[in-house]
Amino acid sequence: DIQLTQSPSFLSASVGDRVTITCRASQGIGTSLAWYQQKAGKAPKVLIYDASTLQSGVPSRFSGGGSGTEFTLTISSLQPEDFATYYCQQLSTYPITFGQGTRLETK
Amino acid sequence: QVQLQESGPGLVKPSQTLSLTCTVSGGSISSGSHRWSWIRQPAGKALEWIGRISSSGSTNYNPPLESRVTVSVDTSKNQFSLKLSSVTAADAAVYFCARETYGNGWYGDFWGPGTLVTVSS
Repeated sequence: DIQLTQSPSFLSASVGDRVTITCRASQGIGTSLAWYQQKAGKAPKVLIYDASTLQSGVPSRFSGGGSGTEFTLTISSLQPEDFATYYCQQLSTYPITFGQGTRLETK
Repeated sequence: QVQLQESGPGLVKPSQTLSLTCTVSGGSISSGSHRWSWIRQPAGKALEWIGRISSSGSTNYNPPLESRVTVSVDTSKNQFSLKLSSVTAADAAVYFCARETYGNGWYGDFWGPGTLVTVSS
């Protein structure tokens, strides 16, 4: 199975900060990676697919990058509604797997 | 706008079968451009992909669950379903259904709100 390790697991930041979350895959997956945002009690919402393609309707302050085994999700200027948990998901190989999540909290 | 809604018992006894249905509205489940999947999330834990089905009935499952899982589709009702047999406390979770769209892999672009399943006698 392909393991996805996100870092950090917890992140404290303030409105206006630039933050980056990293997702490392245990083996190469090309660009077959998606990023999701999940707020408490809600379903995940896709932000990025194909590692760097912004899903329609998602604000442009979100961006994704990387390929192979290392990927990033960057929020250029945190907004109050961005405090949530973020997950990466590899789409390359069965079984499909998710990272353990990064909880983004207000400082 | 596509919408998905999970339904089914919120309480299942140990060793019994969990059965959930996902009803799709605003789009046809018969579309060959999408796949239909189940994902679960135990309380306070990460997401776990369970499996997916195409409109033609082709399935893929997560190997640790494969012996207990069946995902099926009913195109006449625009629904797909999950059955998980021989449940234990470890199967307690919020269960989500999702529509998947292909980019460089199938990703979930529309999700149901989720339904909580408790396993208890």
